[in-house]
Amino acid sequence: EIVLTQSPATLSLSPGERATLSCRASQSVSSYLAWYQQKPGQAPRLLIYDASNRAIGIPARFSGSGSGTDFTLTISSLEPEDFAVYYCQQRTWPPAYTFGQGTKLEIK
Amino acid sequence: EVYLVESGGGLVQPGGSLRLSCAASRITVSGYAMSWVRQAPGKGLEWVSRISGSGDSADYADFVQGRFIVSRDNSRKTLYLQMNNLGVEDTGLYYCTRDQASHDIWGQGTLVTVSS
Repeated sequence: EIVLTQSPATLSLSPGERATLSCRASQSVSSYLAWYQQKPGQAPRLLIYDASNRAIGIPARFSGSGSGTDFTLTISSLEPEDFAVYYCQQRTWPPAYTFGQGTKLEIK
Repeated sequence: EVYLVESGGGLVQPGGSLRLSCAASRITVSGYAMSWVRQAPGKGLEWVSRISGSGDSADYADFVQGRFIVSRDNSRKTLYLQMNNLGVEDTGLYYCTRDQASHDIWGQGTLVTVSS
């Protein structure tokens, strides 16, 4: 099973700052990596798929990069609504999916 | 706007069974794979099962161990998860998702509580 490790566990930043979240896979997942945002009491929302493609309706301040085992989600300038928990997710074939343990982005 | 609506959760004793449903409206699910993803209280996300668009193939997480069966009725735009021999570790919020390798649409979840 491929394990995804996210860092840091908690990131404390202020609105307007740049956020950089990391996701590392225990073996290569090529570009089959997605990022999700989850706010309290809400279902997760897809932000990025295939490592670097923004999902429909996602603001341009969100960007994803990486391939193989190392991936990054960047939020260029934090808005108040961006403070949430972020998960990465990979897919292998035959279909099996794993999620990272999450990074909590909190207001400093 | 609500696209996927789960139902069927509830309180069940260890060893019991539940059948979850997920009804789709105002979106296309025919031809798309669908998945179930769960979240234990205060914990992260965990993939449970996936079914192909036609319903002729299914995959499960290792922890399912033959206890769960996923199915779908495309004429009713509905996804199902039959869960048997439930344990306390199965407690959580169960989401259905539209699955394109990434999960682009999520329901709001249905809560399953396994407790004596």
